[in-house]
Amino acid sequence: EAQVLESGGGSVQPGESLRLSCAASGFTFRSYAMGWIRQAPGRGLEWVSSISRDGDYIFYADSVEGRFAISRDDSKNILSLRMNNLRVEDSALYYCAKGGEYGDWNFDQWGQGTRVTVSA
Amino acid sequence: YEVTQPLSVSVTPGETATITCGGDKIGRRNVHWYQQRPGQAPVLVIFRNSNRPSGIPDRFSGSNSGNMATLTINRAQTGDEADYYCQVWDSTAVVFGGGTNLAVL
Repeated sequence: EAQVLESGGGSVQPGESLRLSCAASGFTFRSYAMGWIRQAPGRGLEWVSSISRDGDYIFYADSVEGRFAISRDDSKNILSLRMNNLRVEDSALYYCAKGGEYGDWNFDQWGQGTRVTVSA
Repeated sequence: YEVTQPLSVSVTPGETATITCGGDKIGRRNVHWYQQRPGQAPVLVIFRNSNRPSGIPDRFSGSNSGNMATLTINRAQTGDEADYYCQVWDSTAVVFGGGTNLAVL
């Protein structure tokens, strides 16, 4: 069974950095695109970033472009999200998600999320 | 690109719930639907407009044409109460709808 497990969340001050990790298991990690999606308390889903299965294509939401960096290590089955210059509005539950079977940039398996809180 | 969903939909148990996702010529895109029950992670319930992943009941179906995609839940149950999100791909970005809260009461 495909599973993803996020870690690395925490509480930081504005301007600080965090690195989120997502450990994948139960599927051939290198064969799938992956993504990060966040959800602020009481709000809807907001896509953050996606990376293709070979890492050649990387996309970011405008709200995080230039501050966040997504990467993958296919040898360790790990997806990462480096978050720099964090803002209060980046506070959210961050989900890691496995890309769908047909390369449609959808997500067919989600983790339980890791919480990021940015406050002064 | 933007997609628009109603904030809420209510349905009586056993009846049919219809949740819409509007967008300019959305019928030309693949639309995916997610269910998010309170306190839980989202679950993909429909992919590529009308396909159900393994394990999703056949009470869930989808369609997409023109400027509207639709998620239909037949014989709605209290366990279907959740937020539902549509999602498309727009060249370089994933786009989620704002979500629709489904109440079954």
